[in-house]
Amino acid sequence: DAKTTQPNSMESNEEEPVHLPCNHSTISGTDYIHWYRQLPSQGPEYVIHGLTSNVNNRMASLAIAEDRKSSTLILHRATLRDAAVYYCILTSSSNTGKLIFGQGTTLQVKP
Amino acid sequence: EPEVTQTPSHQVTQMGQEVILRCVPISNHLYFYWYRQILGQKVEFLVSFYNNEISEKSEIFDDQFSVERPDGSNFTLKIRSTKLEDSAMYFCASSESGRNQPQHFGDGTRLSIL
Repeated sequence: DAKTTQPNSMESNEEEPVHLPCNHSTISGTDYIHWYRQLPSQGPEYVIHGLTSNVNNRMASLAIAEDRKSSTLILHRATLRDAAVYYCILTSSSNTGKLIFGQGTTLQVKP
Repeated sequence: EPEVTQTPSHQVTQMGQEVILRCVPISNHLYFYWYRQILGQKVEFLVSFYNNEISEKSEIFDDQFSVERPDGSNFTLKIRSTKLEDSAMYFCASSESGRNQPQHFGDGTRLSIL
């Protein structure tokens, strides 16, 4: 399973944009990049995913580098509710869809 | 919005007893998963299930564990003889079409083994 590297923690101020980086230098051509988050005392929550092109949804944007060796999750305007652990996960067409969670990035949002 | 629901939210069981954790996946989903998270640790994959059979399992998912989809709506995880180290949050997830599609998680069952 291809691995990802994320910073352990990041801080942001409320109502400011947040850019959460992820490195995945061993990504293969058919691996998708997924982002999930886990709020305190809750199950993981799907945020966004993509293959090659940048993606936008109501929660966030995903910017994927041209060589696909890194990606950035963008929260356009952080709220206190966005304080969570954010996980960058690669999935492969060759496996069963299992998600391999790392330690993720703990995002603190200051009022 | 449809949700994955898990019951009970908290289960306390004596060591050595059997426990069944229940999940109702989203109704049109075809792929089902169990994960666990020991307090303070990473979320760990246990098993994936598709077309009424296990498609992949981790090393954690030994002979003490089993999964079943007894009817069209429930998906259960059974631990035959619980151990202290089975104490964890157990999360069920489902996805519409597996592999590279989003998984939707329940809020989990906290299992406490005494």
